[in-house]
Amino acid sequence: SAVISQKPSRDICQRGTSLTIQCQVDSQVTMMFWYRQQPGQSLTLIATANQGSEATYESGFVIDKFPISRPNLTFSTLTVSNMSPEDSSIYLCSVSLSYNSPLHFGNGTRLTVT
Amino acid sequence: AQKITQTQPGMFVQEKEAVTLDCTYDTSDPSYGLFWYKQPSSGEMIFLIYQGSYDQQNATEGRYSLNFQKARKSANLVISASQLGDSAMYFCAMREGEYGGATNKLIFGTGTLLAVQP
Repeated sequence: SAVISQKPSRDICQRGTSLTIQCQVDSQVTMMFWYRQQPGQSLTLIATANQGSEATYESGFVIDKFPISRPNLTFSTLTVSNMSPEDSSIYLCSVSLSYNSPLHFGNGTRLTVT
Repeated sequence: AQKITQTQPGMFVQEKEAVTLDCTYDTSDPSYGLFWYKQPSSGEMIFLIYQGSYDQQNATEGRYSLNFQKARKSANLVISASQLGDSAMYFCAMREGEYGGATNKLIFGTGTLLAVQP
């Protein structure tokens, strides 16, 4: 498995501001994903982070709100833009070392928007 | 329609006993994978066990086993000899297009909160 470091682990932000979450993996990985887990809910995929190209967003998520970068095979960022209290969630980075292997997750970022 | 259904919002089990967490799935793709993850209160997602749709035998990993009933589209997690540290949220997940062409996207169920009592 891979070691996935996600920063920050938690943050409290004011409405209208933006937060960038970083995900660093200790090895090159084929696929990286960003998930959101709203309070008491299951995980929902936000987007697939593609190396060297624009991320692929799931229905209900848009690039203007959740811009994603992936400059190389070990690093990605997710920005939560113009935050509102509804954005309060855990955001999780996940990676797959290869096709058909399990997804492994970072420890998540607990975001609270006031 | 829900692709992954976990009908037990919460479960209690006595320490050292076995417990089964239910999961049913819905897909028309003959090639898929089923996963179970554990999420303790600290929030991290821990991979537990995997079953491929073409696997002939039920998966086992230590105290975890997956009761895979393909015709019923169920993939229940069995935890044997429960420990206090097993208290957590458990999520069932599915990935379609498993054998070739997989996008690696997981679809998660709503989870079951397991409480192990001493």
